Amino acid sequence: AQKVTQVQTEISVVEKEDVTLDCVYETRDTTYYLFWYKQPPSGELVFLIRRNSFDEQNEISGRYSWNFQKSTSSFNFTITASQVVDSAVYFCALSLNTGNQFYFGTGTSLTVIP
Amino acid sequence: EAGVVQSPRYKIIEKKQPVAFWCNPISGHNTLYWYLQNLGQGPELLIRYENEEAVDDSQLPKDRFSAERLKGVDSTLKIQPAELGDSAVYLCASSIGQGTATGELFFGEGSRLTVL
Repeated sequence: AQKVTQVQTEISVVEKEDVTLDCVYETRDTTYYLFWYKQPPSGELVFLIRRNSFDEQNEISGRYSWNFQKSTSSFNFTITASQVVDSAVYFCALSLNTGNQFYFGTGTSLTVIP
Repeated sequence: EAGVVQSPRYKIIEKKQPVAFWCNPISGHNTLYWYLQNLGQGPELLIRYENEEAVDDSQLPKDRFSAERLKGVDSTLKIQPAELGDSAVYLCASSIGQGTATGELFFGEGSRLTVL
């Protein structure tokens, strides 16, 4: 069975602080994909990143970075120098190579205080 | 390019009334999903279409929920009769992938249902 766990339900940081959102996944498949989505107050989930299970290289995109570690089944997301516009709920998700099905975590609500 | 369009954005009904939600996916996206999102939770799959075929509806409460995707484009999700516990956000998403889950999902803004 597949499962995604986001243990942090709510995080508050002061603007310009760095923050890391944790994501732990479970699957027995060797080929899978991991995603992060952002859900601002408007409600629409916005795709941030996709990684496949064979690519453990960390990725940086502006103030965002992702740390994928298969050894610990984790795919953590760091926002550097947080801004108020980063306030949203962030979801980690897992999909397998077959079935076109996505498994979402319960989300982490991030509040950036000005 | 237009994104996934959903309507209505908000709907308030009394219990036992019917309700329908409409979704227009991104042009060319073969796969369409309906998700249920309760407050403080992640999206949970209700039904997935590959073109016009419902390939995964195992989580759809078929006694009161129904869905269709005519001609493999737009889709409608219906609840009849609605219950108090159906109050949630109903999200539609589409992806270009077919058969494999390599493509990211593109979501609409959701339809927020309140059942009184």
